Amino acid sequence: QLQLVQSGAEMRKPGSSVNVSCVASGGTFSSYAISWVRQAPGQGLEWLGGINPTFGTANYAQNFQGRVTITADNSTSTAYMELSSLRSEDTAVYYCARDRPYYGGDYYMDVWGKGTTVTVSS
Amino acid sequence: DIQMTQSPSSLSASVGDRVTITCRASQRISTYLNWYQQKPGNAPKLLIYAASKLQSGVPARFSGSGSGTDFTFSISSLQPEDFATYYCQQSYTGRTFGQGTKVEIK
Repeated sequence: QLQLVQSGAEMRKPGSSVNVSCVASGGTFSSYAISWVRQAPGQGLEWLGGINPTFGTANYAQNFQGRVTITADNSTSTAYMELSSLRSEDTAVYYCARDRPYYGGDYYMDVWGKGTTVTVSS
Repeated sequence: DIQMTQSPSSLSASVGDRVTITCRASQRISTYLNWYQQKPGNAPKLLIYAASKLQSGVPARFSGSGSGTDFTFSISSLQPEDFATYYCQQSYTGRTFGQGTKVEIK
């Protein structure tokens, strides 16, 4: 059974960057895409982007274009999400999730990491 | 970007009630629509994918329907463990979540 294990909580100052990792165990990492989703305190879910580890191709939400970079290392079954130019509004729990295709064309997130808390404060 | 609008944003219901949540997409998305449940402090959990397919292990009291722009999620008989926040999410272009519906105890 696939599990996604995320790196620990981070504290950053405004203007800096943060890199969160997501290690896949118990499954074939490169078979499926990985998405990154965040949730600010008391708020809803927001998709940042995703990557297909097989091809190394990433796509990003328009709101985060230019500020987020998602990469994958198939040799270690690890996906990474780097967010730069941090501001206080980026304080949130960041989740990775397996983004699995359904033959009809839908993609759904069926396995989630437990989340990484990123706090941005001066 | 495709916008997803859920309604209501919150509701109060009793154990045994039927609960229905709607989700509207800003453009047609076929059946590329999923539903998640989230409890405080936990990651979201997939309940329904492709608008109406029940995820393995999810109780049959959960169901979904719709296509195009209008979708419905229902719980046929609300159980104590169902009090949570529910989100719709489209995968037609990128990924977008609805703003969530909090189901509270009446």
